[in-house]
Amino acid sequence: EVQLVESGGGLVQPGRSLRLSCAASGFTFDDYAMHWVRQAPGKGLEWVSGISWNSGTIVYADSVKGRFTISRDNAKNSLYLQMNSLRTEDTALYYCTKAASTSCFSAVDNWGQGTLVTVSS
Amino acid sequence: DIQMTQSPSSLSASVGDRVTITCQASQGISNYLNWYQQKPGKAPKLLIYDASNLETRVPSRFSGSGSGTDFTFTIFSLQPEDVATYYCQQYDDLPFTFGPGTKVDIE
Repeated sequence: EVQLVESGGGLVQPGRSLRLSCAASGFTFDDYAMHWVRQAPGKGLEWVSGISWNSGTIVYADSVKGRFTISRDNAKNSLYLQMNSLRTEDTALYYCTKAASTSCFSAVDNWGQGTLVTVSS
Repeated sequence: DIQMTQSPSSLSASVGDRVTITCQASQGISNYLNWYQQKPGKAPKLLIYDASNLETRVPSRFSGSGSGTDFTFTIFSLQPEDVATYYCQQYDDLPFTFGPGTKVDIE
């Protein structure tokens, strides 16, 4: 069974940094691309960033480009999101998600339960 | 960016009814369109990928169709456990964008 467990969320002041982690299990991690998707409280889904199986392709939403960095460690079956210069509008539940293929250009077929990031002074 | 619109934004139907949701892309996306179900307080779940393919272990009362700019998602016989918000998502081009969602309730 695929399991994606996010951690690292919390309350942070605007302008500060936070690093999210996602521990993956139940599948061959380095066979699949991974994404982060977020959902602001009471709002819809917003794709944030994606990374291919070998980190060869990394893509970002314009809203986070230059501030967020996605990475993965295939030896540790882990996905990360380094979030710098956080803004109040980054407040959301952040989901770690598994793509259906090695490429970022595929469906997301599994989701974690999310970790909440709250940016507030 | 490719904009995704959905209609209706919400609907209420009876158990056993057929429910149809439409999703329109602002430009052609071939069949690079997925449908997700999000129940209250839960993570989303993939139901349909590539516009018309049913994900493994998803009940056959769910169906998707369309290509290009116009897509349809159907629940053939609405069940109480189908109360959720449904989202379409395109992955033809970056950024991958979701529709605003359609909230489905039971009358």
